[in-house]
Amino acid sequence: QKEVEQNSGPLSVPEGAIASLNCTYSDRVSQSFFWYRQYSGKSPELIMSIYSNGDKEDGRFTAQLNKASQYVSLLIRDSQPSDSATYLCAVNIGNQFYFGTGTSLTVIP
Amino acid sequence: DAMVIQNPRYQVTQFGKPVTLSCSQTLNHNVMYWYQQKSSQAPKLLFHYYDKDFNNEADTPDNFQSRRPNTSFCFLDIRSPGLGDAAMYLCATSGAPTSGRSSYEQYFGPGTRLTVT
Repeated sequence: QKEVEQNSGPLSVPEGAIASLNCTYSDRVSQSFFWYRQYSGKSPELIMSIYSNGDKEDGRFTAQLNKASQYVSLLIRDSQPSDSATYLCAVNIGNQFYFGTGTSLTVIP
Repeated sequence: DAMVIQNPRYQVTQFGKPVTLSCSQTLNHNVMYWYQQKSSQAPKLLFHYYDKDFNNEADTPDNFQSRRPNTSFCFLDIRSPGLGDAAMYLCATSGAPTSGRSSYEQYFGPGTRLTVT
């Protein structure tokens, strides 16, 4: 069973703060790791991909991967109210993708 | 812009009345997926095509069928919708790794919200 675990939240942070979202996965064969943002009633939008251990930064977003601990995280710096959404963690093995249930983030103005 | 398109965006059908949802893509990706997503749940994979090869998930009900007539189009047929089939249906595509990308990356269409009355 390939499992992807996330805290469902809700996670609330004040505007301008750092939001930290965490994800663990069970299958060591997992190859690549993704963060999707999903606004209520909308489809998931790919915001970050990470393939190797360490940090990857893209604007206000930083993804962190630790394969030994089977752990991937997403940091959102200078959080904005528009970041309020559900964040889905996904891992892939070949062309198969496995999703967590998502963490709901609310950024309070 | 290259994209994944789903039609219709909203579909209302009656209990037991067949319905077809469509998906098209301009990304030229060889893998296409259909997911079902209910409120506060992860997307649930129903099936996927790798080129023309159809891959059905073991727990996908027989009520759900799919067709992929060509690279660009994929259809989801729900033969006899029940109330429990009301959900968001997400089409996604993924391309094989290339020189510019070391892994598959998956992109979603906007989804079709299905209501069953």
